[in-house]
Amino acid sequence: EDKVVQSPLSLVVHEGDTVTLNCSYEVTNFRSLLWYKQEKKAPTFLFMLTSSGIEKKSGRLSSILDKKELFSILNITATQTGDSAVYLCAPIQGAQKLVFGQGTRLTINP
Amino acid sequence: DAGVIQSPRHEVTEMGQEVTLRCKPISGHDYLFWYRQTMMRGLELLIYFNNNVPIDDSGMPEDRFSAKMPNASFSTLKIQPSEPRDSAVYFCASSLLSSGRGNEQFFGPGTRLTVL
Repeated sequence: EDKVVQSPLSLVVHEGDTVTLNCSYEVTNFRSLLWYKQEKKAPTFLFMLTSSGIEKKSGRLSSILDKKELFSILNITATQTGDSAVYLCAPIQGAQKLVFGQGTRLTINP
Repeated sequence: DAGVIQSPRHEVTEMGQEVTLRCKPISGHDYLFWYRQTMMRGLELLIYFNNNVPIDDSGMPEDRFSAKMPNASFSTLKIQPSEPRDSAVYFCASSLLSSGRGNEQFFGPGTRLTVL
């Protein structure tokens, strides 16, 4: 059975800290892995990772995939209160099927 | 671009009633997905369509749930009869496989369903 495990499930840090969110997966017919950010509404897209070892960056956020060890990490540097959200990891199985993890609830305190 | 549109945004109904959720995907997208999100189970894929044809409905919990996509711009998810355990936020998402980021799914605002 497909499995996606995110850790930690919850994280509280102070503004300015750096955080690392983890995602391990076991998914058949793996193609790529997506990261989403969910505040109070719908998930919004952050990154898509297809190749191992190639870091993707967007401002203070970065992510990398390890297809041999079956995990991905999402880093956020110099965190801000606006980064508070649930971060979801979703490997893609087959053509289009996303398998979501439980998410990491990140809280940034001022 | 209006994004994915869902209606209603909130639905409160009584156990046993029929519920119909509606979705309009982004124009031109060829994939449509229905998800359910709860605190206990997280975000689960229920069913998805490609070019209006259901591809994988293995996530549909039971026969009380059904989904249709009569054309490229409209889909429905129906629950009949509804039960309190169906209470959740239901998201619709769409994507275009042939685009440069074909696996990126765009989510609608969701429908919050409460079954009393």
